[in-house]
Amino acid sequence: AQSVTQLDSHVSVSEGTPVLLRCNYSSSYSPSLFWYVQHPNKGLQLLLKYTSAATLVKGINGFEAEFKKSETSFHLTKPSAHMSDAAEYFCVVMVSGGYNKLIFGAGTRLAVHP
Amino acid sequence: DTGVSQDPRHKITKRGQNVTFRCDPISEHNRLYWYRQTLGQGPEFLTYFQNEAQLEKSRLLSDRFSAERPKGSFSTLEIQRTEQGDSAMYLCASSLYSGRARNEQFFGPGTRLTVL
Repeated sequence: AQSVTQLDSHVSVSEGTPVLLRCNYSSSYSPSLFWYVQHPNKGLQLLLKYTSAATLVKGINGFEAEFKKSETSFHLTKPSAHMSDAAEYFCVVMVSGGYNKLIFGAGTRLAVHP
Repeated sequence: DTGVSQDPRHKITKRGQNVTFRCDPISEHNRLYWYRQTLGQGPEFLTYFQNEAQLEKSRLLSDRFSAERPKGSFSTLEIQRTEQGDSAMYLCASSLYSGRARNEQFFGPGTRLTVL
């Protein structure tokens, strides 16, 4: 079975400092992994996706993530946090076999302080 | 706006009543998914359609839940005899499935259901 574990339920950073949101995955196959962001009262938005191409994936708004098979990790990073980055972030694995349904982690709430 | 739309955005109902939600996917997308998100949790898969065919249903989808996608366009999710445990955000997503490609799912804003 495929699953993801987000290691932190809450992360708090100061504006201008780096962001690290941690995610470990479990998959029997070569996984497709995603990070989605959810702002209050808004829909889920795709930040970036890994689908077995380059292991370092760049996304929108300066976010990037690195797929590390040896560590079964897909951590999300950003060099410098903005106030507008405050939101809920979900690490997601796509179930293989044609279904393409998504399995979400429990989420990490990112707070950004001035 | 050509994204995924959902209606209504909010629904308050009394326990035991029936409710129906609608999802309009991106027009050229052949796959449509329903997810449920409870407070403090990530979304959980409920069911999905490829065109008009419902191909998989989660164990979360009790017999009080039914979903349809007539003509492979919009979809409806009906909950009969609502219970307080049904209170959640119901999310719809759509994607363009083409063989082995693992295409992005685009999400709607969700319908927030509150059962009193």
